[in-house]
Amino acid sequence: DVKVTQSSRYLVKRTGEKVFLECVQDMDHENMFWYRQDPGLGLRLIYFSYDVKMKEKGDIPEGYSVSREKKERFSLILESASTNQTSMYLCASSTLILRGTPGETQYFGPGTRLLVL
Amino acid sequence: QKEVEQDPGPLSVPEGAIVSLNCTYSNSAFQYFMWYRQYSRKGPELLMYTYSSGNKEDGRFTAQVDKSSKYISLFIRDSQPSDSATYLCAMSDDTGNQFYFGTGTSLTVIP
Repeated sequence: DVKVTQSSRYLVKRTGEKVFLECVQDMDHENMFWYRQDPGLGLRLIYFSYDVKMKEKGDIPEGYSVSREKKERFSLILESASTNQTSMYLCASSTLILRGTPGETQYFGPGTRLLVL
Repeated sequence: QKEVEQDPGPLSVPEGAIVSLNCTYSNSAFQYFMWYRQYSRKGPELLMYTYSSGNKEDGRFTAQVDKSSKYISLFIRDSQPSDSATYLCAMSDDTGNQFYFGTGTSLTVIP
């Protein structure tokens, strides 16, 4: 059974704090993604990584950084949290190349609801 | 123009109804088409996926892809209150590097 886990389900932080969101997948997937989800805006890609120590900016990378030191783990870092970063953060993973083989698609974690006060 | 367009709803139907959810897209390179179900305050859960064109059926759910029209659909037969959720369509080309999502359609099935 495929599994993507995120370190926290709910998090409350203060403005200016450094925030770490951790994601771990057990499917040996090459690709990992961080999204944020806001009402009316849908899912927006923050960063993704297609290999260890590799990262690519998504649509809204400002105010965020990421770290991928191990294949199974992808961390999202808010260097100095701000109130406009209050959101639902979703991690996902997928295989590198989609060949139409069953199971080769994107799987999500349960999400972290972050509130920045 | 957005890569993927999805009517946000909300959609409200009586129990037992047939539900039709749809998305349109603009990128002809998309080959992988997915439907996710997301319950309130939870992460998206993969419901169905299809590769290239055609239909796929799984129990009460049927996914259809019409690449000539750039249009995909999810049908839910005999809808149940437990189907009440937001349904997201998603698409990708063969690289798997980027997934493009609709904004989601909120569905409520009334007992």
